[in-house]
Amino acid sequence: GAGVSQSPRYKVAKRGQDVALRCDPISGHVSLFWYQQALGQGPEFLTYFQNEAQLDKSGLPSDRFFAERPEGSVSTLKIQRTQQEDSAVYLCASSPTSGSSTGELFFGEGSRLTVL
Amino acid sequence: AQSVTQLGSHVSVSEGALVLLRCNYSSSVPPYLFWYVQYPNQGLQLLLKYTTGATLVKGINGFEAEFKKSETSFHLTKPSAHMSDAAEYFCAVRSGGYQKVTFGTGTKLQVIP
Repeated sequence: GAGVSQSPRYKVAKRGQDVALRCDPISGHVSLFWYQQALGQGPEFLTYFQNEAQLDKSGLPSDRFFAERPEGSVSTLKIQRTQQEDSAVYLCASSPTSGSSTGELFFGEGSRLTVL
Repeated sequence: AQSVTQLGSHVSVSEGALVLLRCNYSSSVPPYLFWYVQYPNQGLQLLLKYTTGATLVKGINGFEAEFKKSETSFHLTKPSAHMSDAAEYFCAVRSGGYQKVTFGTGTKLQVIP
């Protein structure tokens, strides 16, 4: 597709369940980012990949959060034993270059997670 | 460290009036600065960006922003608001050589007919 694609768009989970959110970036984009956007807040950085390498995971809130990008294209964000505070929109963004580029991000529409 | 402060979580303007959304940043190195717009249930899309060079940058839909280093500001303006401008606007900063983009908390723009 032409843009960043995320699935599912909406996910309802019971507290304690595991969830997996998928991101399909723009073809050829080197960099991939995950952000968490709580209601009424700005996006908060979670993690960053350059190709398949996870170069920064400083924003992951706990060890229940795990992200991977094994072949340098599609990425999955996994949340184990979900809790109510995990309810948010999870945004994926990709960027065509890395290093000293200007860093413009192309966002998907997000996956809205609601934990009951 | 880098951070962004957006003054005013909600701004209301009349259709045809000037739009001014404020953004101040903090960065230890020369920054790259961005404004993104988010419509309901959609992802963020880039309005404009400052990297180097001319400090007044123009973006899509008639928006522009001016980088003022002395004031550490990057305010977004549009001379005449249109109903379709109603959305949430996010200012963001990226410090050169560092990949993470940090966003402000957003300003929701309401346009009154």
